[in-house]
Amino acid sequence: AQTVTQSQPEMSVQEAETVTLSCTYDTSESDYYLFWYKQPPSRQMILVIRQEAYKQQNATENRFSVNFQKAAKSFSLKISDSQLGDAAMYFCAYRPLSGTYKYIFGTGTRLKVLA
Amino acid sequence: GAGVSQSPRYKVAKRGQDVALRCDPISGHVSLFWYQQALGQGPEFLTYFQNEAQLDKSGLPSDRFFAERPEGSVSTLKIQRTQQEDSAVYLCASSSGRRNEKLFFGSGTQLSVL
Repeated sequence: AQTVTQSQPEMSVQEAETVTLSCTYDTSESDYYLFWYKQPPSRQMILVIRQEAYKQQNATENRFSVNFQKAAKSFSLKISDSQLGDAAMYFCAYRPLSGTYKYIFGTGTRLKVLA
Repeated sequence: GAGVSQSPRYKVAKRGQDVALRCDPISGHVSLFWYQQALGQGPEFLTYFQNEAQLDKSGLPSDRFFAERPEGSVSTLKIQRTQQEDSAVYLCASSSGRRNEKLFFGSGTQLSVL
């Protein structure tokens, strides 16, 4: 079965500093997507960044970047120049490219940004 | 519409009551998902529709849970004889169904069963 594990329930970062959130996953598939979603108190999940497994280059979106290690099944999120608005729950997610395209989420990491 | 809309935003039910949660996906989106998110947890898959066809309902926790999407747009998640363990946020999401799709979420319905 496919699983996603986030081992950091909570992380803190000083404003303007850099923080890395960890995620590991397990799958026997070779082609899939990985995602990081942000969930603020409004509850609406917002896509932060997406990585396609067949691409070796790590995805970047402005202050957000990933370190994708396919062999190790690791997918960490780096947030640079942290801002107060980055405070939220962050979920790592996996989606296979076969079957029903079911998204599997980790248990989340709560990020606190300290002023 | 501009985004995925869910109603009601909050629902309080007495144990044993039936509830119906509504999801309006983005117009034209083929795929629709329902997820259950318990407090402090990640979303757990409930069911998936492709147009009006329910292709995967493996995540529905019991036969008290029923979902439909009769015309391939609006979807309803119904929970019969609610129990306290059903208390959670129910998230709906939709997507185009293509390989490089993006999944768009609604703000969820927070269900509290007393």
